Amino acid sequence: AQSVTQLDSQVPVFEEAPVELRCNYSSSVSVYLFWYVQYPNQGLQLLLKYLSGSTLVKGINGFEAEFNKSQTSFHLRKPSVHISDTAEYFCAVILSFSGGYNKLIFGAGTRLAVHP
Amino acid sequence: DTGVSQDPRHKITKRGQNVTFRCDPISEHNRLYWYRQTLGQGPEFLTYFQNEAQLEKSRLLSDRFSAERPKGSFSTLEIQRTEQGDSAMYLCASRAGTGNTEAFFGQGTRLTVV
Repeated sequence: AQSVTQLDSQVPVFEEAPVELRCNYSSSVSVYLFWYVQYPNQGLQLLLKYLSGSTLVKGINGFEAEFNKSQTSFHLRKPSVHISDTAEYFCAVILSFSGGYNKLIFGAGTRLAVHP
Repeated sequence: DTGVSQDPRHKITKRGQNVTFRCDPISEHNRLYWYRQTLGQGPEFLTYFQNEAQLEKSRLLSDRFSAERPKGSFSTLEIQRTEQGDSAMYLCASRAGTGNTEAFFGQGTRLTVV
């Protein structure tokens, strides 16, 4: 079965500290990986994506993530967080099957709470 | 605004009533997804359209749920005989047909069944 696991449901951190939000996936088919952010009462906004090429990808708002195929991980990092980064973060994968059929599935989310 | 739009944004209904939600994807996107999100959870996949064809429907969807995309453009999600457990945020997303591109999400429709 294909799945996405976000290992931490909540991550509290102080402002200006570094943070890592963990994501592991399991799949036997080609995957493309994404991180989305959701602010309260809003839709999902793309932070960054990995499709191919360099395993280190940079996104908006100073976030980056590294694709590790051997560990089937795609952890999200930021060297110094701000209060405004407080939100729910979702790891997602597109499972690409033959015939052009794509399925987009999400992890359960990690709530990042940045404290002053 | 050329993003994904959903209507209505909020819906309160009595148990047992039928509700219908609409999603207008980005115009050139041929792939459309519906998700359900409850508090503290990630979006749960409900169904997927490629053009007008519904290619997958989650086991989460009971027979009370139906979705259509009649002309391969906008889509509707109908819930019949609503139950309190149907209360959730219903999200729509669309993706372009070429390449493995990201999905763009609408603001969602928040359903409350009382």
